[in-house]
Order: sequence, then structure tokens, then C-alpha cells
Amino acid sequence: NAGVMQNPRHLVRRRGQEARLRCSPMKGHSHVYWYRQLPEEGLKFMVYLQKENIIDESGMPKERFSAEFPKEGPSILRIQQVVRGDSAAYFCASSRDSKNTEAFFGQGTRLTVV
Amino acid sequence: DAKTTQPNSMESNEEEPVHLPCNHSTISGTDYIHWYRQLPSQGPEYVIHGLTSNVNNRMASLAIAEDRKSSTLILHRATLRDAAVYYCIPFGGSARQLTFGSGTQLTVLP
Repeated sequence: NAGVMQNPRHLVRRRGQEARLRCSPMKGHSHVYWYRQLPEEGLKFMVYLQKENIIDESGMPKERFSAEFPKEGPSILRIQQVVRGDSAAYFCASSRDSKNTEAFFGQGTRLTVV
Repeated sequence: DAKTTQPNSMESNEEEPVHLPCNHSTISGTDYIHWYRQLPSQGPEYVIHGLTSNVNNRMASLAIAEDRKSSTLILHRATLRDAAVYYCIPFGGSARQLTFGSGTQLTVLP
């Protein structure tokens, strides 16, 4: 059973471009969480999704950021018109459900905005 | 979300046991106590979780206070690969997502 897969592992974008980060949860997991870790800082929650639904997006910046978890395919975190401050490691986690269950994390996507 | 308090850093000698404490005095009655760790340049890794009873797995043991206001993660024999930031996090009840605090940076000395 493969773990949580994130791709790409490294992504370089110029200011103003779009960044698309993908997360394939573990088999049988229908809950996905996205986190951002700025350099030398802690992990910050961004958004929690179940299949086709956003459950909690309280950590998402109000503009330029969006997330989806379609019925088929991976979860996508999309950042439009990237700025230098978006440079960070973005981690995705998945869990089977939201009660008495562990969450498993991917290795992250390291976004660099130049 | 329940607030947790952990020491900023701890040191241990290799091959010795390590006890990592966490205070979570405002934890809700339905939240489990989860522990994760993050090694340098890696994603967080699940370690263990429990509700009221002490728990053991191949990585560690979790001792939970009777009043659930604190817990201790026990690594029975620390290795150099256990050097990481360790986080205790209430999750799975009223807490619907993992909220990471600053954690405890564990240094293992050879």
C-alpha cells in the first residue's frame, strides 16, 4: 500500500505564474489535509477536504489559493499569481476518517518562487 | 482548539530511554492525544495515539494521565534516527484537523 504521494517534489515558478500541487491519498482514505511550512517555521493548517467537499478552509489565504478533492483523481492545491512569500514546503496528509484514526503525510512539495 | 505545552528542546544519550512530556489541560473529552514527529527535510510522521489507556506500538509508548491533562511519549531506546521535532496534538474528536504547535526538538547524543 503506497503512502501519500505528492508531486512534484520540487517546483519552481516565476512570480505571477500558477502553481499546482498534487496529492494522492493512501488507498481507502477519503480525508485530505493540506499544510504549509515556511522556512524555519512550523506547520500551518490550510484546508481539510473530503471527496468533493471542503470541510474546513479556515487556514487558507483569502485570495489566490484554492483546493479541491474530486471524486476521481488526486487532491489539488492551486496557487494563482504566485509571489515570493508563497515559497514554502506544502505537505498533504490523508486519513481514513476523522475519528480515532491516524493521519499519514506525504514528503511534501517544495515551492520556490523566483 | 485545545492548547498544548511542550518543552522547546530535550537531549538524550543514544540507547537510553527518553520521556517527552506534554500538557493539554483543555483537551476535550472526545479528542485523542496524537504524537507526530518531523525529521529534518521530511514530512511529519505518525508515532502513536491514545484516548485514556496507555498505548504501546513498535515505535514508542504513550502514557496518559488519569485526568487526561497531560501525557508522556516514551522512546525506550533512543537512536540517532530519533532526532526530530516531536508534537503532541489533540485530534479526532472536536478537533477535526491536526494543529501543530512548536513541539519539542529532541537531540540524541552519540
